[in-house]
Amino acid sequence: DADVTQTPRNRITKTGKRIMLECSQTKGHDRMYWYRQDPGLGLRLIYYSFDVKDINKGEISDGYSVSRQAQAKFSLSLESAIPNQTALYFCATSGTSGRPSSYNEQFFGPGTRLTVL
Amino acid sequence: GEDVEQSLFLSVREGDSSVINCTYTDSSSTYLYWYKQEPGAGLQLLTYIFSNMDMKQDQRLTVLLNKKDKHLSLRIADTQTGDSAIYFCAESYNTDKLIFGTGTRLQVFP
Repeated sequence: DADVTQTPRNRITKTGKRIMLECSQTKGHDRMYWYRQDPGLGLRLIYYSFDVKDINKGEISDGYSVSRQAQAKFSLSLESAIPNQTALYFCATSGTSGRPSSYNEQFFGPGTRLTVL
Repeated sequence: GEDVEQSLFLSVREGDSSVINCTYTDSSSTYLYWYKQEPGAGLQLLTYIFSNMDMKQDQRLTVLLNKKDKHLSLRIADTQTGDSAIYFCAESYNTDKLIFGTGTRLQVFP
């Protein structure tokens, strides 16, 4: 079974709808991240969380919100979807135990392709 | 702000070497990474290099780091069709986050 799972894998929705993307991990990692990928722009960080009570904005958080329901679950919401939020969304995790504090290998889910019409 | 740049495309013949280049801006980055994204999948760590190293070799992969020029490269020897993917370089920023490059799409043709 995959260590980092994302649901749904594909979603088509309409402008103005509220959408939630979910991420679960079985790696026991404390840190979780949400990115979006756009062609020619690489990956951009939306939000990240270092534990259940910690939420931080990334470089493109406007129009998005997150919830860390448990150590293993981190969901991303689009309160009112707009067409320029059409993208591939990735969840990632990283762990801090047994590693140098400056080492930040991240493990990615398979992605959610979101289309906003 | 921090910026990591890569060329968008690279096309090579099977059996040749591929060299993917990256420039970064944060001279305090302690680790630099190469990730591989295969079609329809998430990113997977391919290799990394610690900032006090100039070179790291791992089977067909060679990573070169030029700290003075803030330049990172990934060389893939004997490139195979299975190496076709998007390759991202990334730098650690403040140890909390990774800053990813734009990605280089490598196409390997017979």
